Amino acid sequence: DIQMTQSPSTLSASVGGRVTITCRASQSISSWLAWYQQKPGKAPKLLIYKASSLESGVPSRFSGSGSGTEFTLTISSLQPDDFATYYCQQYGSSSRTFGPGTKVDFK
Amino acid sequence: EVQLVESGGGLVQPGGSLRLSCAASGFTFSRYSMNWVRQAPGKGLEWVSYITSGSSIYYADSVKGRFTVSRDNAKNSLYLQLNSLRAEDTAVYYCARDGGGEYIVGLLNYFDYWGQGTLVTVSS
Repeated sequence: DIQMTQSPSTLSASVGGRVTITCRASQSISSWLAWYQQKPGKAPKLLIYKASSLESGVPSRFSGSGSGTEFTLTISSLQPDDFATYYCQQYGSSSRTFGPGTKVDFK
Repeated sequence: EVQLVESGGGLVQPGGSLRLSCAASGFTFSRYSMNWVRQAPGKGLEWVSYITSGSSIYYADSVKGRFTVSRDNAKNSLYLQLNSLRAEDTAVYYCARDGGGEYIVGLLNYFDYWGQGTLVTVSS
């Protein structure tokens, strides 16, 4: 199975700040990567698919990049609604594995 | 508006069984592949099972032989039968739709809509 890692595990940031989260795959997954946002007690919400395609309705301050084994999620100007946990998910193999998550909290 | 509403969770003893349901609305359910994804308390996400519009089925190794996924397109419903439950099956179980549009088949996909989840607790 393809293993996914994320860094950092926790990130403290301020409103208006720029946030970058890294996701790495144990082998190449081309661009078959999605990003999700999850708030406490809520279901995950799709943000990005195919590494850099923004899901309809998601604010443009969210962007994704990367291919192969290294990917990033960037929030260009953090808003109060963005404090949450972010997960990457690979779909380059049938195991459909998720990263362990990155929690973005208040600095 | 796409809505997925899970039900059927609860407290069950180790070795017991439970049946989860997911009621879908706001889209043509019969045309989409569907999934179950779970999240243990305070932990990350784990894909559990997948069923195509034509009822081809796949499972994660961790549940193969114990869980059974099914669907009733006439009732716009997805089901997960959980048997031989273990403490490590304790989790919130989410119903999730495959992304990319209608009639997409294959495990190489992401999840575009999720339900609110139903909690399964396996404990004596």
